[in-house]
Amino acid sequence: EPEVTQTPSHQVTQMGQEVILRCVPISNHLYFYWYRQILGQKVEFLVSFYNNEISEKSEIFDDQFSVERPDGSNFTLKIRSTKLEDSAMYFCASSDRTGGQNSPLHFGNGTRLTVT
Amino acid sequence: AQKVTQAQTEISVVEKEDVTLDCVYETRDTTYYLFWYKQPPSGELVFLIRRNSFDEQNEISGRYSWNFQKSTSSFNFTITASQVVDSAVYFCALSEALGNTGFQKLVFGTGTRLLVSP
Repeated sequence: EPEVTQTPSHQVTQMGQEVILRCVPISNHLYFYWYRQILGQKVEFLVSFYNNEISEKSEIFDDQFSVERPDGSNFTLKIRSTKLEDSAMYFCASSDRTGGQNSPLHFGNGTRLTVT
Repeated sequence: AQKVTQAQTEISVVEKEDVTLDCVYETRDTTYYLFWYKQPPSGELVFLIRRNSFDEQNEISGRYSWNFQKSTSSFNFTITASQVVDSAVYFCALSEALGNTGFQKLVFGTGTRLLVSP
């Protein structure tokens, strides 16, 4: 079964450094998302992306965050200057071209980001 | 605002017991979707089920069953004859529509950790 692939599985970085988290969504999917889960807490929506632009973002997704689809397959989340509180599991997700509420989000395995 | 409440933080059962995970939601939307995801210790999110607000039929899939009751805004999940491999955190989620785009944004509950011991 096709799946969403995220790399790396674990990233350790120092405070203030830039990180890029990478995702390869399922190939025929057109809608992309990033979610975040701080350790032991619930999963929170960060941003949704369609047709090469952000369609919605949460309050968490401030100017330090950006997303990009640099080519036909990758979908990236960049954190410009990481803070300790950015430490979390970051999940990429995608949904198919029906795009509506009926299509489940397929999540990747996540990237655990540790900021020291 | 959308909200999902999973009041059970952690449940411990012994193998072969049945267990029900509760989920209560709040929404003003007339059309919405409910989901359950499983998060095993390895950390990934595994899709289990989605249910739309117009379909109150209960669903059974193997040892899993779901009871959707619109009157009480609940979408409970039962595992029959639990197994050690069922040990995980289970998240209930509500799909919120984003304007007219057809996009969806999942609002998650805080999760219920299920521990199944042999």
